[in-house]
Amino acid sequence: QSALTQPASVSGSPGQSITISCTGTSSDVGGYNYVSWYQQHPGKAPKLMIYDVTNRPSGVSIRFSGSKSGNTASLTISGLQAEDEADYYCSSYTSSGTRVFGGGTQLTVL
Amino acid sequence: QVQLQESGPGLVKPSGTLSLTCSVSGDSIISTDWWTWVRQSPGKGLEWIGEIYHSGATNYNPSLKSRVTISVDKSNNQFSLKVSSVTAADTAVYYCGKVGTTGSYVEHWGQGVLVSVSS
Repeated sequence: QSALTQPASVSGSPGQSITISCTGTSSDVGGYNYVSWYQQHPGKAPKLMIYDVTNRPSGVSIRFSGSKSGNTASLTISGLQAEDEADYYCSSYTSSGTRVFGGGTQLTVL
Repeated sequence: QVQLQESGPGLVKPSGTLSLTCSVSGDSIISTDWWTWVRQSPGKGLEWIGEIYHSGATNYNPSLKSRVTISVDKSNNQFSLKVSSVTAADTAVYYCGKVGTTGSYVEHWGQGVLVSVSS
């Protein structure tokens, strides 16, 4: 299984909005509403930010939102804050009954 | 609140077997959820290794399937990972996790443990 495709890096200024894309195929992202997003700060374990495309776990800021169109899912962070600077990974269920992650996107808050 | 803690040797010799255990507290391993292992090579992205249900049913990453075994120990509320015939490419931080109710995401993560493969 091939990793999902994410941009290597994105950046934005405090208060702005950014979007991170996650592109797969009809056998993963496009075929199921089972895309999740994780935030990872250096040296820390990943943290679930979005699950099942659009759902936000309890305790996650409403500034984080998810969507999907075709084979591409997206994570949008609005009102960027310095603490949002981290790596972000998407993940999807696949038609093989397995899971696959994206390569990760480094977010820089300017 | 569910807590997961990985444990095991931090150094494994090439061609040997990597063995890790994930201890679960605040939840029962025989709940209706799956339990998973994910790894991250130094400076790289996340890689899904596989998952297990308390019944013993498993799913594995096809690229690792021939070398990986995940098992569950209900009596100790733990699950384990074994990776055989390891090489330097298996050097990584290994995370255990609890899969969420729809089975599609990792809801809770352990802190991770670094395992190095070196002679």
